[in-house]
Amino acid sequence: NAGVTQTPKFQVLKTGQSMTLQCAQDMNHEYMSWYRQDPGMGLRLIHYSVGAGITDQGEVPNGYNVSRSTTEDFPLRLLSAAPSQTSVYFCASSQAGGIQETQYFGPGTRLLVL
Amino acid sequence: GIQVEQSPPDLILQEGANSTLRCNFSDSVNNLQWFHQNPWGQLINLFYIPSGTKQNGRLSATTVATERYSLLYISSSQTTDSGVYFCAVGRTGNQFYFGTGTSLTVIP
Repeated sequence: NAGVTQTPKFQVLKTGQSMTLQCAQDMNHEYMSWYRQDPGMGLRLIHYSVGAGITDQGEVPNGYNVSRSTTEDFPLRLLSAAPSQTSVYFCASSQAGGIQETQYFGPGTRLLVL
Repeated sequence: GIQVEQSPPDLILQEGANSTLRCNFSDSVNNLQWFHQNPWGQLINLFYIPSGTKQNGRLSATTVATERYSLLYISSSQTTDSGVYFCAVGRTGNQFYFGTGTSLTVIP
């Protein structure tokens, strides 16, 4: 199993550009989520999904869109990047619901918005 | 949301020393996990421990849910234990809240 994979590892964007951060897992997990990590802070939940076709907002959803068309993939879209979105982004998954289950994290994507 | 406070924020240890990291949370939870973020940024789950005590090698954790805190014990610390330790909690609605972490440096 590859576990949770994320691409790209690094990305530099200009303000206003759009991009999609990719996340995939091969563990047949129902629950997937996106977090951002800023210096000196813990991780904050952006969006999550409890299964294909179902998504919901987390703590800091503004500026980000998600969709879940398959169990394996959970892409995060930035429609118009802003410098405030400079951060490290982590994708995570767990077996069935984020509450009772151990979460597994991807290696992260470092995003710089100029 | 649930407030999660971790202490101490920073910790420097000599190799071989023991340490205790604390996590306080503001509301009842039914999920609590401890994670280690290594110096390369990878997050690794250490314990899923909404209540009770667990041990895994030199690490152990205790959660007292009724008093809203959890402790992570590291014994005989090694340089590979360096990194940031996060506590994260969840209740209902699939929301998961992280503390700001304890940064541990183990010096040889």
